[in-house]
Amino acid sequence: GQGVEQPDNLMSVEGTFARVNCTYSTSGFNGLSWYQQREGHAPVFLSYVVLDGLKDSGHFSTFLSRSNGYSYLLLTELQIKDSASYLCAGLRNNNNRIFFGDGTQLVVKP
Amino acid sequence: DMKVTQMPRYLIKRMGENVLLECGQDMSHETMYWYRQDPGLGLQLIYISYDVDSNSEGDIPKGYRVSRKKREHFSLILDSAKTNQTSVYFCASSLGGGYAEQFFGPGTRLTVL
Repeated sequence: GQGVEQPDNLMSVEGTFARVNCTYSTSGFNGLSWYQQREGHAPVFLSYVVLDGLKDSGHFSTFLSRSNGYSYLLLTELQIKDSASYLCAGLRNNNNRIFFGDGTQLVVKP
Repeated sequence: DMKVTQMPRYLIKRMGENVLLECGQDMSHETMYWYRQDPGLGLQLIYISYDVDSNSEGDIPKGYRVSRKKREHFSLILDSAKTNQTSVYFCASSLGGGYAEQFFGPGTRLTVL
């Protein structure tokens, strides 16, 4: 919360895709990071986007629209092991610190 | 081997006791962080350290203090722990302040009874 918002939950099917959305305050942040956090484990960095458009990193792709304060993480060819929480984090432009959203819990069903 | 370590992994304390959580990193990163994470919530920044003896408060510093006497070590101290400090604490490091990629330790699950 407080400037970085994500839906709580998302469900998808193995072999398909999932899009995890994130909205943020355009006046507060410069760039978005995405982290994956499996249950009981530490967050793991996936991607950082600061320019508009789609950044394709294979299994994970990230999109950013700075004017709309919107980003998404796209996971393709989903596997059961992609079930995890995905955290969106904005890089604050007043102190260069990262502010995390509450995370979206993705469940991938067979 | 790029790694952030945390000790202990699990800790149970009584209200009013002192707590020391330790973190180490082997990447010579300048910047280190302490976060807490409560169920269903994101990570909240407690303290950030830009280098040895260069520490700044994060978003929720009250009830905590930190110590960084060597670049590779960053400690979180709770003087007189409270039950609402029960949480999972993560340490992280990055090359410098403003770097989006942070490397996280495995976390310490602290329970204050």
